[in-house]
Amino acid sequence: AQSVSQHNHHVILSEAASLELGCNYSYGGTVNLFWYVQYPGQHLQLLLKYFSGDPLVKGIKGFEAEFIKSKFSFNLRKPSVQWSDTAEYFCAVNYGYSTLTFGKGTMLLVSP
Amino acid sequence: DAEITQSPRHKITETGRQVTLACHQTWNHNNMFWYRQDLGHGLRLIHYSYGVQDTNKGEVSDGYSVSRSNTEDLPLTLESAASSQTSVYFCASGYSLSQQYFGPGTRLTVT
Repeated sequence: AQSVSQHNHHVILSEAASLELGCNYSYGGTVNLFWYVQYPGQHLQLLLKYFSGDPLVKGIKGFEAEFIKSKFSFNLRKPSVQWSDTAEYFCAVNYGYSTLTFGKGTMLLVSP
Repeated sequence: DAEITQSPRHKITETGRQVTLACHQTWNHNNMFWYRQDLGHGLRLIHYSYGVQDTNKGEVSDGYSVSRSNTEDLPLTLESAASSQTSVYFCASGYSLSQQYFGPGTRLTVT
């Protein structure tokens, strides 16, 4: 069965710091990859997705992610975080006709 | 505007009671999903449906059931609520398995 690992459970950054959240998946075939964000008290929203093509994917709010097939990774990055980026971030993967498998999430706290 | 709604948003119930959580979407999506979110576990799939009269078990389906009598609704029933089912429940829908839109969630407490 496919699995998703998010390496950091909690990350604390100051405003303007750069962000990189790690995500690794287990399936060796063709995958679809996603990052979702959940702001405090809200539902999950899609940040960005990768299906095929350019491995560097740009999403909303200045986020981007890079798909590195050889490393089974899909890390999320942002060059300069803001206080409003405080949220929980989830990596997810699916392949073929499978349902989404989510990682356990990374809680990001950005201090002003 | 099309949307996905869940009700109730908060629910407190007693152990052993039957509870039904509602999920309604107006996008006309064929695919609907129920997840539970617990600290340290992320989101785990409970049940899902590809269309009317279709239901499938997910990773953590024990103690839960769903039925799909129309496109818009996928109610989740806890047959006999247990304290281990205290959680936040999210419904989602989508045209595909990979592109899902999430509802606002229901916080369920079983005492």
